[in-house]
Amino acid sequence: AQSVAQPEDQVNVAEGNPLTVKCTYSVSGNPYLFWYVQYPNRGLQFLLKYITGDNLVKGSYGFEAEFNKSQTSFHLKKPSALVSDSALYFCAVRDRKSFQKLVFGTGTRLLVSP
Amino acid sequence: EAEVAQSPRYKITEKSQAVAFWCDPISGHATLYWYRQILGQGPELLVQFQDESVVDDSQLPKDRFSAERLKGVDSTLKIQPAELGDSAMYLCASSLTGPEPSYEQYFGPGTRLTVT
Repeated sequence: AQSVAQPEDQVNVAEGNPLTVKCTYSVSGNPYLFWYVQYPNRGLQFLLKYITGDNLVKGSYGFEAEFNKSQTSFHLKKPSALVSDSALYFCAVRDRKSFQKLVFGTGTRLLVSP
Repeated sequence: EAEVAQSPRYKITEKSQAVAFWCDPISGHATLYWYRQILGQGPELLVQFQDESVVDDSQLPKDRFSAERLKGVDSTLKIQPAELGDSAMYLCASSLTGPEPSYEQYFGPGTRLTVT
């Protein structure tokens, strides 16, 4: 079965510093990977996706993610964190055996301090 | 910008009562998903529709949950009877459909259910 793991429950970073939110995956075949963000009492918002091609994917709000096949990782990054980036971040993998089904990680809470 | 609509946003119900949630996907999105998100966890797929047909309901507790999408547009998720363990956020999402596996899903704001 396809799965993703987010090893950190929470990441703390000061505003202006770079941030990284980690994600590792386990899939058979080529992975289709996604990052979503969730603000309190809201639905999930799509940030970016990796399907094929360049290992560095750029997304919304200045976020990017680096796909590393040898380490089976898809870490989310941002060069300079904002307080407004504080939210819950989910990594997800598309299950190729189930029609477009997304399998989500447990989420990582990002806290950016002023 | 088009959005997925859900109602109600919040619902409090007593154990053993019936409850229903409604979702209106983005126009043109043939695929509709219902997820359940328990506090502190990632969303888990309950049921997936392709137009009006169910393509995956393997995680749907069918003894108490039902879902329909009669005309292939909006959808209703029902729980009867509700149990304490059903307290969660219920999220609806939609996406384009086709052989392209890269279509992202767009989520609605969710319905927060509390069962007392």
